[in-house]
Amino acid sequence: DIQMTQSPSTLSASVGDRVTITCRASQSISTSLAWYQQKPGKAPKLLIYRTSILESGVPSRFSGSGVDTEFALTISSLQPDDFATYYCQQYLDYSWSFGQGTNVEI
Amino acid sequence: QLQESGRGLVKASETLSLTCTVSGASISANNPYWVWIRQPPGKGLEWIGSVYYSGSTHYNASLESRVSMSVDTSKNQFSLKLTSVTAADTAVYYCARAIRKLGMLPLDIWGQGTKVTVSS
Repeated sequence: DIQMTQSPSTLSASVGDRVTITCRASQSISTSLAWYQQKPGKAPKLLIYRTSILESGVPSRFSGSGVDTEFALTISSLQPDDFATYYCQQYLDYSWSFGQGTNVEI
Repeated sequence: QLQESGRGLVKASETLSLTCTVSGASISANNPYWVWIRQPPGKGLEWIGSVYYSGSTHYNASLESRVSMSVDTSKNQFSLKLTSVTAADTAVYYCARAIRKLGMLPLDIWGQGTKVTVSS
């Protein structure tokens, strides 16, 4: 099984900050990585797939990068609506697995 | 849209059964994979398994001996069964859709989730 490790687990930031969350895969997944945002009591929402492709309707302040085992999600200017938990997720050979999540808090 | 339904309270050692109803489109539209994910209280997301619209399945190895999934195209529904449940299976269970986008299968539509508690 492919293990996904995110860092940090918690990130304290302010409105307007540039923030970066990293995600590491236990083996190469090429660019088969997605990012999700989850708010308390809600289902996750797809932000980015194929490492860097924004899902329709997602603000351009979100961006993704990386390849093989090292990936990053960057929010260029944190907005009040962005305080949430973020998960990376890999897909390979009909198997999905998630990172443990990064809580972005004020 | 996706909507989960099923019993919210299951006794230990019994079988958890959930259904996800697809509305607004055919369950086979866009050749989707239908996926179940769960989230224990205060914890992260765990993939349980997936069922292709035609019926083929893939399961998380850690749950494979207890899981089964199926699709009912006549009802536009897909389902999850998890046998021999324990307290560790207490979680919010989500159904989701995965369709192929640039060669991968991101989960682009999610149900609202349903809370399942396993009681002793």
